[in-house]
Amino acid sequence: DTAVSQTPKYLVTQMGNDKSIKCEQNLGHDTMYWYKQDSKKFLKIMFSYNNKELIINETVPNRFSPKSPDKAHLNLHINSLELGDSAVYFCASSRTLGDQETQYFGPGTRLLVL
Amino acid sequence: AQTVTQSQPEMSVQEAETVTLSCTYDTSESDYYLFWYKQPPSRQMILVIRQEAYKQQNATENRFSVNFQKAAKSFSLKISDSQLGDAAMYFCAYRSPISSGSARQLTFGSGTQLTVLP
Repeated sequence: DTAVSQTPKYLVTQMGNDKSIKCEQNLGHDTMYWYKQDSKKFLKIMFSYNNKELIINETVPNRFSPKSPDKAHLNLHINSLELGDSAVYFCASSRTLGDQETQYFGPGTRLLVL
Repeated sequence: AQTVTQSQPEMSVQEAETVTLSCTYDTSESDYYLFWYKQPPSRQMILVIRQEAYKQQNATENRFSVNFQKAAKSFSLKISDSQLGDAAMYFCAYRSPISSGSARQLTFGSGTQLTVLP
């Protein structure tokens, strides 16, 4: 029944490590997004994929690399983690020209870098 | 670029009373979408209500309604008969239309933390 799912929900790791967050949607949407929510709860877009093609790549360090193996999945890989990467990362999806353009969000992944 | 401003970092309301959360935005586009999302302590982002700019009628979803003033670029959320479960962070968000040809991510305001007092 889960529409947009993310794994893991919590991720605690050491500085310098590499980690991945996975996202899957079963809504049949063609566009997926990654947002970052910082400690002040401000939400900002990081990446967006439409039909597996990157269409938004905001100014984020190139240590962050999204990968979309198919339309239902958008994973986020982070290399050489830094303290400032600690945040909540949200995956979202939407259908172009459908459902009034609403984006549906996953439950978020809380990343803590020690 | 579009910007969204929520000028009330915190608001409180008595249970069963009505509260209005403010949101203003800046855009040069004539057609767009506006949303209110709720984020309770569980962290889940939940859609509360949405409004298409070309529609003059204000959107309503049960106890939630908006006051959309296109000329003033204002999009406030009214919560009637407030319940304890309404306590959350509320985010206003803007999205460009597909005809804009621009990147169509959500642009969020900074949020309003709503406390419901029993």
